Amino acid sequence: LAKTTQPISMDSYEGQEVNITCSHNNIATNDYITWYQQFPSQGPRFIIQGYKTKVTNEVASLFIPADRKSSTLSLPRVSLSDTAVYYCLVGPVNSGYSTLTFGKGTMLLVSP
Amino acid sequence: NAGVMQNPRHLVRRRGQEARLRCSPMKGHSHVYWYRQLPEEGLKFMVYLQKENIIDESGMPKERFSAEFPKEGPSILRIQQVVRGDSAAYFCASSPIEGGTYNEQFFGPGTRLTVL
Repeated sequence: LAKTTQPISMDSYEGQEVNITCSHNNIATNDYITWYQQFPSQGPRFIIQGYKTKVTNEVASLFIPADRKSSTLSLPRVSLSDTAVYYCLVGPVNSGYSTLTFGKGTMLLVSP
Repeated sequence: NAGVMQNPRHLVRRRGQEARLRCSPMKGHSHVYWYRQLPEEGLKFMVYLQKENIIDESGMPKERFSAEFPKEGPSILRIQQVVRGDSAAYFCASSPIEGGTYNEQFFGPGTRLTVL
């Protein structure tokens, strides 16, 4: 599995856009990039997944450059409730199952 | 549609006792995964099960830990003769029988085990 590197923590204020970058230099051809969010005392929650270019849903956007060696999770206009740990995961996606490998993630703290 | 349910949410055991953690997957999901999260660490995969079968237990400690997912009822993670190092949050996740393009896993709220 490709190793990922992301900042340990980030601070932001309400209403700002937050961009969390993840490095994955050894990403394989069949690997996807997936982001999960974990609130305190809760299990992780799937946010977004992509393979290349840009993916957008109602929660976030995911930007992946052509070389796919990094990716950026973008959270528009964060609120206090976006305070959480964000995990970047890289691995193959098959019909069936895959075990998820979590790093330490990025602790995002949103202040008023 | 209820999400993944885990109970108990908090469990306190003394060293040497047994801990039983239960997980009911989302309706229609037949794949169950258990993860352990130590304080200030990421989640670590332990075991993957389907009904009545252990598919991958590569993350399970060799001794004292076992898991099952019977034909009827919840999945059970069992820890015998607990030690202080077993104190952690244990999360269960489930996914549908056909993951489709994306292997999204749905996590429960976790069971926080404290060993005194």
